[in-house]
Amino acid sequence: GESVGLHLPTLSVQEGDNSIINCAYSNSASDYFIWYKQESGKGPQFIIDIRSNMDKRQGQRVTVLLNKTVKHLSLQIAATQPGDSAVYFCAENRNSNSGYALNFGKGTSLLVTP
Amino acid sequence: DAGVIQSPRHEVTEMGQEVTLRCKPISGHNSLFWYRQTMMRGLELLIYFNNNVPIDDSGMPEDRFSAKMPNASFSTLKIQPSEPRDSAVYFCASSFRGNNEKLFFGSGTQLSVL
Repeated sequence: GESVGLHLPTLSVQEGDNSIINCAYSNSASDYFIWYKQESGKGPQFIIDIRSNMDKRQGQRVTVLLNKTVKHLSLQIAATQPGDSAVYFCAENRNSNSGYALNFGKGTSLLVTP
Repeated sequence: DAGVIQSPRHEVTEMGQEVTLRCKPISGHNSLFWYRQTMMRGLELLIYFNNNVPIDDSGMPEDRFSAKMPNASFSTLKIQPSEPRDSAVYFCASSFRGNNEKLFFGSGTQLSVL
């Protein structure tokens, strides 16, 4: 889930297990969602996106699920690897009268242990 | 393409000094975004441009911050005068159409104001 303040929620998984990272979004008018991965010292990197007319989308080892009824988004990573250790952010488009930009959640830290 | 290029990577300055951060978006992208990242507040949108025109600057903290995009391949974010609370990582991102399209981020500028 998302956090407020200094401490990011941390998900610790063993290498080879599946990971599920959750996100609650706020704007019921949002119609586009993205998951980003941020490694230490780097900028956020695109993982996968989904539009509101879908409820599931799969990529390579990753799946995003969208539940618009409860405004919930999740990222599933199959067979988690050490290189997956990073902070993961969900983002929603603002879709406001002032135009388009992405609002980011606070992030979840994923730690993959051997 | 080299991706979004930001400079400098690190900037250490004293309170009261002027700071200028630079960004070169991906060639062909027509939207450019400036974000600030801190542990307390996460990723915050400061301002974004479409076709070199500022669309929404409501995230700019105060008049000490200003951003320009004189052409499609260059943008600056200026802080004058800088204060210790401005210390953060500043990211520039660009996208192709600026609407429901993924953002590509630079590596960021780590700013420390002493």
